[in-house]
Amino acid sequence: EIVLTQSPGTLSLSPGERATLSCRASQSVNRRYLAWYQQKPGQAPRLLIYDASARATGIPDRFSGSDSGTDFTLTISRLEPEDFAVYYCQLYGDSPPMYTFGQGTRLEI
Amino acid sequence: QVRLQESGPGLVKPSGTLSLTCAVSGFSVSSVTWWSWVRQSPGKGLEWIGEIFSSGSTNYNPSLKNRLTISIDNSKNLFSLNLASVTAADTAVYYCTKSAAYNLDYWGQGALVTVSS
Repeated sequence: EIVLTQSPGTLSLSPGERATLSCRASQSVNRRYLAWYQQKPGQAPRLLIYDASARATGIPDRFSGSDSGTDFTLTISRLEPEDFAVYYCQLYGDSPPMYTFGQGTRLEI
Repeated sequence: QVRLQESGPGLVKPSGTLSLTCAVSGFSVSSVTWWSWVRQSPGKGLEWIGEIFSSGSTNYNPSLKNRLTISIDNSKNLFSLNLASVTAADTAVYYCTKSAAYNLDYWGQGALVTVSS
């Protein structure tokens, strides 16, 4: 079973700053299977990034995804007040077929 | 616009069965796609429960497989979750979602289910 490890657990930044969130897979994965979600308190998660680097519909271009081997990164270029939330990475595995989530990174002011 | 709405009892007794339904609008559950359930225990992260295809084929989280049944009703455009022999550890917000090629692109608002006597 592939494990996703997100870091840091909590990231404290200010509006206007750049945020870099990491998600590391325990073994090599297909980048098409990697997605990122944003979750605000009391709300369902929202898909931000799929295929490691493609923005979902309606997602601002300040959000970007990248990857290097087993390391995946979500970057928010210039933080807006509404960006402070919890972010999860997610991997689809096909043996057995299932979705796995990282433990989340809390982005706080 | 695709919308998903969970419904079901908010309180289930220990050893009972947790049952939830997800009503879908704006998209047909009989289309070529998978439909998933995801849960989130209070203050915790996300756990994928399982998924179902329009044909009725299912994939389940191995940790829940022995207690889990997911079904689909194409005529009513909904899919359902049944989790048997529940304990307090099954207390969570349960989300129904639509799958889109290895990710979950639409989510319901979530339904809190508490397991307690």
